[in-house]
Amino acid sequence: DADVTQTPRNRITKTGKRIMLECSQTKGHDRMYWYRQDPGLGLRLIYYSFDVKDINKGEISDGYSVSRQAQAKFSLSLESAIPNQTALYFCATEGQGAGEQYFGPGTRLTVT
Amino acid sequence: GIQVEQSPPDLILQEGANSTLRCNFSDSVNNLQWFHQNPWGQLINLFYIPSGTKQNGRLSATTVATERYSLLYISSSQTTDSGVYFCAVRYGGSQGNLIFGKGTKLSVKP
Repeated sequence: DADVTQTPRNRITKTGKRIMLECSQTKGHDRMYWYRQDPGLGLRLIYYSFDVKDINKGEISDGYSVSRQAQAKFSLSLESAIPNQTALYFCATEGQGAGEQYFGPGTRLTVT
Repeated sequence: GIQVEQSPPDLILQEGANSTLRCNFSDSVNNLQWFHQNPWGQLINLFYIPSGTKQNGRLSATTVATERYSLLYISSSQTTDSGVYFCAVRYGGSQGNLIFGKGTKLSVKP
């Protein structure tokens, strides 16, 4: 089984709908991250969490919220989806000490 | 903030050829990773290499932190090497976040 899983893998939704993307990990890592990738660009950080009680905004947090339900779970929500949130979303994990990050398979989100 | 520049932006190779991808960064970094994004969108960890040289099969990487660059070498390229290669750096200590370059798109022709 994969160490970092994301659900759903693909989602098409309409403008104005609320949507949640979920991430789970079995690596036992404390740190978790959400990124988005737009065509032709690298990844940009949306939110990150260093432990269950810690939530931090990244570079592009507007229009998003997160929940760290447990060490192993980190969810990303779009409260009212808009078309320019169409992108590939990645979850990542990292152990203590700021070492290597490991990425999930990605969720391809389309907002029509 | 820190700038991460990758070159070339696009690269087309014939199968069997060798290549070098470059990542320049504008400030001191604590961490540098190379990733391969395959045509299905998945990000695969290649190297965690804040400094020094590492090798893994046909791939190797070198980071010269004092000169603010890293190189990824691909030897005897295969069609399965196609995809986008990203460099990502962390600066600002253990609380800093990974900053990604825009990637090098590699196409290996049979």
